[in-house]
Amino acid sequence: AQKITQTQPGMFVQEKEAVTLDCTYDTSDQSYGLFWYKQPSSGEMIFLIYQGSYDEQNATEGRYSLNFQKARKSANLVISASQLGDSAMYFCAMPPPRGKLIFGQGTELSVKP
Amino acid sequence: DTGVSQNPRHKITKRGQNVTFRCDPISEHNRLYWYRQTLGQGPEFLTYFQNEAQLEKSRLLSDRFSAERPKGSFSTLEIQRTEQGDSAMYLCASSFAQGNYGYTFGSGTRLTVV
Repeated sequence: AQKITQTQPGMFVQEKEAVTLDCTYDTSDQSYGLFWYKQPSSGEMIFLIYQGSYDEQNATEGRYSLNFQKARKSANLVISASQLGDSAMYFCAMPPPRGKLIFGQGTELSVKP
Repeated sequence: DTGVSQNPRHKITKRGQNVTFRCDPISEHNRLYWYRQTLGQGPEFLTYFQNEAQLEKSRLLSDRFSAERPKGSFSTLEIQRTEQGDSAMYLCASSFAQGNYGYTFGSGTRLTVV
């Protein structure tokens, strides 16, 4: 069964600095995908970035990039030039073959001015 | 299309009462999912539909919970005889059945059982 682990319950970063949020996963599937979502205090889950296991390059979406290390089974999210609006919960997630998403425990990011 | 819509946004109910939540997915999506999220935790899968068929239910979905998607469009989640432990955020998401799925979440319904 798939499993997602996020070991950082909370992180602090200074505004304008970069931050890395850790995610490790466990799966026996050869083909899989990994998602990162942002959840502000209002509750909605906002899609940030997706990485497929066979994608040759690390995914990038604006200030978000994914440091994907397949051999280590890690898919860390890097946020560059942090902004105050980046303060939120961040979740790593993976869909098993039947499609439902399995989420990690989340990391609460706080951006300091 | 305005995305996934959930109603109500907030619900406060007395223990023992029944509640029903509604989710309107993105119209092109044929899959619809329900998740429950308690404070400080990641969302936990409850159930999902492909069109009108309920394909999987989590063991978290006790007999007091029932979900329907009668015409393959909107879905309802009903909780009977609510308990304080049911207090949580209930999230709905929709997706395609293939590819990288393109999951889109609603804003959730926050249930408080008093």
